[in-house]
Amino acid sequence: GENVEQHPSTLSVQEGDSAVIKCTYSDSASNYFPWYKQELGKGPQLIIDIRSNVGEKKDQRIAVTLNKTAKHFSLHITETQPEDSAVYFCAASNDYKLSFGAGTTVTVRA
Amino acid sequence: DTEVTQTPKHLVMGMTNKKSLKCEQHMGHRAMYWYKQKAKKPPELMFVYSYEKLSINESVPSRFSPECPNSSLLNLHLHALQPEDSALYLCASSSYAGGQPQHFGDGTRLSIL
Repeated sequence: GENVEQHPSTLSVQEGDSAVIKCTYSDSASNYFPWYKQELGKGPQLIIDIRSNVGEKKDQRIAVTLNKTAKHFSLHITETQPEDSAVYFCAASNDYKLSFGAGTTVTVRA
Repeated sequence: DTEVTQTPKHLVMGMTNKKSLKCEQHMGHRAMYWYKQKAKKPPELMFVYSYEKLSINESVPSRFSPECPNSSLLNLHLHALQPEDSALYLCASSSYAGGQPQHFGDGTRLSIL
């Protein structure tokens, strides 16, 4: 089955700086890569996703890049704000099943 | 605000109790999912319903019994649970089974005494 590795497990950044989270996947058949943000007491919220026919996608301060050859994808958050503090999960899928990474706890210091 | 609504938000039950978790979505999605999430871990898939029929059971113990009364509702019936079943139970939906993205509710925090 699919195996997704996510790094780092924790990330502390100064407000206004950028944050980068990296994931690798093992199954070359995976074609969909979402990122979820989970705040305390809430469910995972989809913040951005990318499909395998696209190399990069941006949505305001958030961007995702995908390298299919190397089987890795990354989340970039620019101009971080305190409300960006949360746990972020990457995932990979080629059907109904989402294979999640272990998660990254992001703390934005004011 | 999430478009997938789960009730109750919190539930405490004894090991001999019977209770149910409820999930509702009004996005017209035809696939619904149950996940279990332990603290500091990613969600783990339990069940997938496609067009109101159970299509995937990820080897979940029979003390968890899902039900899909109609295309908008998903229930999870609980009976004779164990302390290790304490977790956050998440419901999700997507346009169809295999369709992405999946949209999650905020979950039910379940504690087994």
